[in-house]
Amino acid sequence: EPEVTQTPSHQVTQMGQEVILRCVPISNHLYFYWYRQILGQKVEFLVSFYNNEISEKSEIFDDQFSVERPDGSNFTLKIRSTKLEDSAMYFCASSEYPGLVSETQYFGPGTRLLVL
Amino acid sequence: KQEVTQIPAALSVPEGENLVLNCSFTDSAIYNLQWFRQDPGKGLTSLLLIQSSQREQTSGRLNASLDKSSGRSTLYIAASQPGDSATYLCAVEGGSEKLVFGKGTKLTVNP
Repeated sequence: EPEVTQTPSHQVTQMGQEVILRCVPISNHLYFYWYRQILGQKVEFLVSFYNNEISEKSEIFDDQFSVERPDGSNFTLKIRSTKLEDSAMYFCASSEYPGLVSETQYFGPGTRLLVL
Repeated sequence: KQEVTQIPAALSVPEGENLVLNCSFTDSAIYNLQWFRQDPGKGLTSLLLIQSSQREQTSGRLNASLDKSSGRSTLYIAASQPGDSATYLCAVEGGSEKLVFGKGTKLTVNP
């Protein structure tokens, strides 16, 4: 069964460093998402991406965050200058169709980011 | 702003018991509701999606119901097994494709 994959599974970085989290969505999916889950808290929406542009972003997704689909398979989340409070599990998700059809979002296994 | 609440926060049952997990949401203008399973330190596995026009969905031993007007959903698990032990998350989509999650119910099924 097709699945969303994410790399790395764990990332440790120093405060102020840039990190890039990578995702490979399910191949025929068109809509991509990033969510995060701080330890012990709810899963929170960060951004959605469709047709090579951001569709929606939350107030968490400020200027230090960016997303990109550099080729036909990868979807990346970049954090330019990490802060301690960016430590969380980051989930990538994808769905087949946007808009009118109510579609299941399929989640990857997550990247656990620890900022020291 | 949509808020999703799940009760109880934790539940411990003996194997074989039937159980119900509850989810409530504040804004009834939802597009769909999804139930997920999360194992410790792992990703989210989609269990069931109920569209706003539907009342329930079934998959194996799982049955999810939706009462949009009252802002409630339940996940019924029949004949629970130790392998069902996990955190169960409810999430609603309000038409903008983003999911708003509850904090989850941590289920432990004791052999």
